[in-house]
Amino acid sequence: EAGVVQSPRYKIIEKKQPVAFWCNPISGHNTLYWYLQNLGQGPELLIRYENEEAVDDSQLPKDRFSAERLKGVDSTLKIQPAELGDSAVYLCASSQGWGQETQYFGPGTRLLVL
Amino acid sequence: DAKTTQPPSMDCAEGRAANLPCNHSTISGNEYVYWYRQIHSQGPQYIIHGLKNNETNEMASLIITEDRKSSTLILPHATLRDTAVYYCIVRVEGSGTYKYIFGTGTRLKVLA
Repeated sequence: EAGVVQSPRYKIIEKKQPVAFWCNPISGHNTLYWYLQNLGQGPELLIRYENEEAVDDSQLPKDRFSAERLKGVDSTLKIQPAELGDSAVYLCASSQGWGQETQYFGPGTRLLVL
Repeated sequence: DAKTTQPPSMDCAEGRAANLPCNHSTISGNEYVYWYRQIHSQGPQYIIHGLKNNETNEMASLIITEDRKSSTLILPHATLRDTAVYYCIVRVEGSGTYKYIFGTGTRLKVLA
């Protein structure tokens, strides 16, 4: 069974540029999560989707971050414009939902903002 | 804020049992304890979870104290490939949704 797929794996951009990350969850998983992981820290939830609906986006900095999950499958996380402090690993995870809440993580996208 | 406290690092000899402690003294009655590990440059990998009873699977055992204020993850025969950061997580429920609250984890180094 394929795991959570993320792309790109690495991204280097200059500050003020836009950037987008893509995630394909495990087939059949209704719940999708985006996390931010700073160096030496545990992941922090940015947004959680149940199918197409964002049910928890309280930690998403909405002035520059946006996310979408069209058709309830793939998801895209965007930053515009990027700042130096956005350099981090962006992780996507998915779970079956409906009480089966074990999350399975992708490999992450490592972003470096110069 | 993290609901768990873990030692920042531990060493374990290859072939020996690795016992990783976690304190979660403010855990609520319906909150699960999950363990994940993260090997360098990879995403976190699920290990095991539990509510009240001790649990065992092919990777590890989870021992939860009777008062649920602490738990221990046991890797019975540690190998070099078990070197990773281990996260003890409380799954928090609220407003009809679930959330993992990660701490900073324990960096386990398995020594040859």
